[in-house]
Amino acid sequence: AQSVTQPDIHITVSEGASLELRCNYSYGATPYLFWYVQSPGQGLQLLLKYFSGDTLVQGIKGFEAEFKRSQSSFNLRKPSVHWSDAAEYFCAVGGGYQKVTFGTGTKLQVIP
Amino acid sequence: DADVTQTPRNRITKTGKRIMLECSQTKGHDRMYWYRQDPGLGLRLIYYSFDVKDINKGEISDGYSVSRQAQAKFSLSLESAIPNQTALYFCATSDAGTGREKLFFGSGTQLSVL
Repeated sequence: AQSVTQPDIHITVSEGASLELRCNYSYGATPYLFWYVQSPGQGLQLLLKYFSGDTLVQGIKGFEAEFKRSQSSFNLRKPSVHWSDAAEYFCAVGGGYQKVTFGTGTKLQVIP
Repeated sequence: DADVTQTPRNRITKTGKRIMLECSQTKGHDRMYWYRQDPGLGLRLIYYSFDVKDINKGEISDGYSVSRQAQAKFSLSLESAIPNQTALYFCATSDAGTGREKLFFGSGTQLSVL
């Protein structure tokens, strides 16, 4: 069965600092990988996705993620965090049983 | 107007009551999903539907039922609500069912069962 692990429940960064959110997946074949963001009171919005090809993918709002098959990881990064990036971030894997499995989420707090 | 609309946004009910959460979409998508979000547990799939005649259980369907009234409407029912069904519920849609498609989410329904 496919699964996703987000080891960090909560992360705090200073505005302007770089960010990396960790994601590890388990899937038997080539996975379809996603990062979603949930702002307070909102539904989830897709940041970026990886299916194949270039392992470094660019998304919206200045985010990027790198697929590393050897480490079963798909970490999300941003070079300089803005206060508006404070939200909860979910990594997800798709491809099995025609559905998407989500991780438990990482809450990002941005301090001035 | 939102592409995926959930009603109500908030609901407080009592144990044992029947409650229905509604979802409608203007995306024209065939696939619709109901997820439940609990702190520390992420999103878990309750039910999903690939078309009006195709409804499938997700990983946590016990205590829930669904109805796909039309391509655009997918309702979630709690036949007899219990406190551990207190959660944030999301409806989502997609235009395919391969696992590689983007999901479009509603804004959620916060349900509290007292």
